[in-house]
Amino acid sequence: AQTVTQSQPEMSVQEAETVTLSCTYDTSESDYYLFWYKQPPSRQMILVIRQEAYKQQNATENRFSVNFQKAAKSFSLKISDSQLGDAAMYFCAYRRAYSGSARQLTFGSGTQLTVLP
Amino acid sequence: DTGVSQDPRHKITKRGQNVTFRCDPISEHNRLYWYRQTLGQGPEFLTYFQNEAQLEKSRLLSDRFSAERPKGSFSTLEIQRTEQGDSAMYLCASSPRGDRSREQFFGPGTRLTVL
Repeated sequence: AQTVTQSQPEMSVQEAETVTLSCTYDTSESDYYLFWYKQPPSRQMILVIRQEAYKQQNATENRFSVNFQKAAKSFSLKISDSQLGDAAMYFCAYRRAYSGSARQLTFGSGTQLTVLP
Repeated sequence: DTGVSQDPRHKITKRGQNVTFRCDPISEHNRLYWYRQTLGQGPEFLTYFQNEAQLEKSRLLSDRFSAERPKGSFSTLEIQRTEQGDSAMYLCASSPRGDRSREQFFGPGTRLTVL
C-alpha cells in the first residue's frame, strides 16, 4: 500500500520570504502522480501543483515549485514570495497512474502554514 | 462552472440516527469520489464511482455506509446508525473522463457531528 508522510505539522514564514514544505512517500509503482493541495480555513481544497513521475523536470506554477527526487521518494513544495493568502493547510497526495485502477488519492497528514505579516 | 457542490454543509445528529449527504459533481465529470477527513488529518478515501458504477470501496466503508450514483450524475452517501466515531468532514470530488485525467476537484464538504 502506498503511504504519504508529511513530517512538519506546522510551518511559518514571513511575508515575501520563501518556505519549503516536505513530503515523502512510499510506493512500489514506477508510474504515478504527485500533488500538492491547499485547504484554506473553511474553504474547499484546491490543487496547487502536480508532478508526473515519468517527468524528470520539476513542475513550476508561478510562485510554487517542487523538488521531485524519485529515487529518494521525496516531493517538497517551495513557495516563493509568500503572501498572506498562502496561509492554509497543505496536503501532499499520491495517485497511481495505471489505467483501469482506482484513481483515489492517498494524502499525507498535512502541514499548517502560517504567513506572518 | 459551478464547481462541486455538497449538501448539507453541516449536519448535527444524535447517535443511532441515519444521515444522508448529497454531492453534485462538475457537469460531465464521470468520476466521483468520497473521502472522509477527521480533524488534523488528511482525507481518506471511501469510495469511487465511474458513471453509475461503484468500482472501488475502502475498508473504511463499513456496512453502515452506503453510496449511490443512480444516474451517473449526483451521488448520495448514507450512514446508518451513526456513531460518535463517524464525526468528520465528508468530502466529495470529481474528475473528468479520460485515461490521463489527473486533477480531482473537491467540494466544500459536509461536516458531520454525532452527539
